[in-house]
Amino acid sequence: EDKVVQSPLSLVVHEGDTVTLNCSYEVTNFRSLLWYKQEKKAPTFLFMLTSSGIEKKSGRLSSILDKKELFSILNITATQTGDSAVYLCTLQPSNTGKLIFGQGTTLQVKP
Amino acid sequence: DAGVIQSPRHEVTEMGQEVTLRCKPISGHNSLFWYRQTMMRGLELLIYFNNNVPIDDSGMPEDRFSAKMPNASFSTLKIQPSEPRDSAVYFCASSLGGNQPQHFGDGTRLSIL
Repeated sequence: EDKVVQSPLSLVVHEGDTVTLNCSYEVTNFRSLLWYKQEKKAPTFLFMLTSSGIEKKSGRLSSILDKKELFSILNITATQTGDSAVYLCTLQPSNTGKLIFGQGTTLQVKP
Repeated sequence: DAGVIQSPRHEVTEMGQEVTLRCKPISGHNSLFWYRQTMMRGLELLIYFNNNVPIDDSGMPEDRFSAKMPNASFSTLKIQPSEPRDSAVYFCASSLGGNQPQHFGDGTRLSIL
């Protein structure tokens, strides 16, 4: 069965810290791996990764995919309180449009 | 640009009642997805449509749940009769299809008493 596992499940840091969120998966074939940020309402799209070893970057956030070791990481540098959210890792299998979500990592950034 | 629009934002009703959730996808998007989110189970896909046609409804919990997409700009998710265990946040998402990211609406928070 296809599975996405995120770690840690929760994390508390202070402003300015750097965090690394992990996502490992057991999916036979997939089109893409996506990261979403969910605050109080809808998940908002962060990154889509399709190729191994190519880093995607947006401001203080970056992400990379390792298809050989079957994992992805999401890095946030110089964290701010506004980064507090649940971060969701999800995979889109090759043969379907559906997304398989991990449990999420709840990040709390304290002032 | 308008995002995915869902209504109502909140719904509180008694068990046994019919509940209808509505979704307007982003204009031009040809794939639409209904999800349910709970603390216990996280985000679960219920059903998705491509070009208004249901493709995969394997996530629909049981016959009490049904979804329709009569045209490219509107979809409904109906629960009849509703039960307390249906209480959750229901999200609708849309995408351009293929290998494109999904964009989520703000969700409907459903409480069945």
